[in-house]
Amino acid sequence: DAGVIQSPRHEVTEMGQEVTLRCKPISGHDYLFWYRQTMMRGLELLIYFNNNVPIDDSGMPEDRFSAKMPNASFSTLKIQPSEPRDSAVYFCASSLYLAPYEQYFGPGTRLTVT
Amino acid sequence: AQKVTQAQTEISVVEKEDVTLDCVYETRDTTYYLFWYKQPPSGELVFLIRRNSFDEQNEISGRYSWNFQKSTSSFNFTITASQVVDSAVYFCALSGANNAGNMLTFGGGTRLMVKP
Repeated sequence: DAGVIQSPRHEVTEMGQEVTLRCKPISGHDYLFWYRQTMMRGLELLIYFNNNVPIDDSGMPEDRFSAKMPNASFSTLKIQPSEPRDSAVYFCASSLYLAPYEQYFGPGTRLTVT
Repeated sequence: AQKVTQAQTEISVVEKEDVTLDCVYETRDTTYYLFWYKQPPSGELVFLIRRNSFDEQNEISGRYSWNFQKSTSSFNFTITASQVVDSAVYFCALSGANNAGNMLTFGGGTRLMVKP
């Protein structure tokens, strides 16, 4: 079975541009998570969905960030406008249930904003 | 609030040495779960193990073993006879068991370098 799929794997963009990161969770998983990983802050949960509905977006840094899940097999994380401090690796993960069930992570998208 | 501390930011060993990665956690939950994930150079986080707070038995899986001690709030991870392929960043994580606390809280990670 395919794991969590993320695209693109690398994204380089200029400050002020819109960035869209994409994720396809594992089929059958009802929960989808977006994380951000930086050297300074480690792994941070940004938002998670249950059955395509956003449940907790308290980790979203600011209004420039938005996430959607239009169907069970696709989610996007959008940054508009992007800033250099948004440079990070963004991970998508999915799971059958909330903890204690393990989350399965995608390969991540390395975003560089210049 | 939950917190996970991995005091060792970086460890370097020579192949075949044993190495222990420390993890100390804080939680007010009586029921909680602890996890270890591995992040190899390719970047993807790989699930290694999950333990619940009621099961303090040590676990062994091949060269990997885990020591859970509630009395010291620790969940340490030992790799026996380390190999170069073990080089990665290892994360310890904690979650509660109720709706308010079942998000994963990650430690800062320990970078393990195994030299040939």
